[in-house]
Amino acid sequence: GNSVTQMEGPVTLSEEAFLTINCTYTATGYPSLFWYVQYPGEGLQLLLKATKADDKGSNKGFEATYRKETTSFHLEKGSVQVSDSAVYFCALGGSQGNLIFGKGTKLSVKP
Amino acid sequence: EPEVTQTPSHQVTQMGQEVILRCVPISNHLYFYWYRQILGQKVEFLVSFYNNEISEKSEIFDDQFSVERPDGSNFTLKIRSTKLEDSAMYFCASSPRFRPSGGNEQFFGPGTRLTVL
Repeated sequence: GNSVTQMEGPVTLSEEAFLTINCTYTATGYPSLFWYVQYPGEGLQLLLKATKADDKGSNKGFEATYRKETTSFHLEKGSVQVSDSAVYFCALGGSQGNLIFGKGTKLSVKP
Repeated sequence: EPEVTQTPSHQVTQMGQEVILRCVPISNHLYFYWYRQILGQKVEFLVSFYNNEISEKSEIFDDQFSVERPDGSNFTLKIRSTKLEDSAMYFCASSPRFRPSGGNEQFFGPGTRLTVL
């Protein structure tokens, strides 16, 4: 069945460091892919999405490219800030209209 | 900006008791969902709801669970007889549309932490 695997956390970086959070998926067909972010005490918020192969989703300096050949959707940001500290979830759109999530990766950015 | 709200933020209950978790989806949304996350594990789909009936449900969503939209604004998840393993964070989500390819964006509430003792 469809599934998502993302790198285990926690990830700790210094401010202005480069961020990569790896995400790979297994799916039949070509589902949409998403990154959600959860700030402390808040709900899951959509960060970015891509609906087909080679699409690049971007928002708030974060980017991820839908790579069909490697079944990946890695999240990147060139220069993280303390305010980016959160838990990041990779997800794919299931055929039932639901979202299938990875385990989440906690990011801590130190000043 | 409209948002999904959930109450309570934390619910503690005894095993065997019934609990009702409440959600107010975004007002013009048509599709509603419940997910749960057991501590340290993945966010898992429970059920989707549209046009006053269940659209899809996962194997987790057994006879102990039920959902309801009792009025025009609330969307509830009831667990009839809670078990220790029901302890988790429960998230409600809503969406304005449905796409079979799974491209629909879902808007999530902050979650209810359920602790079963």
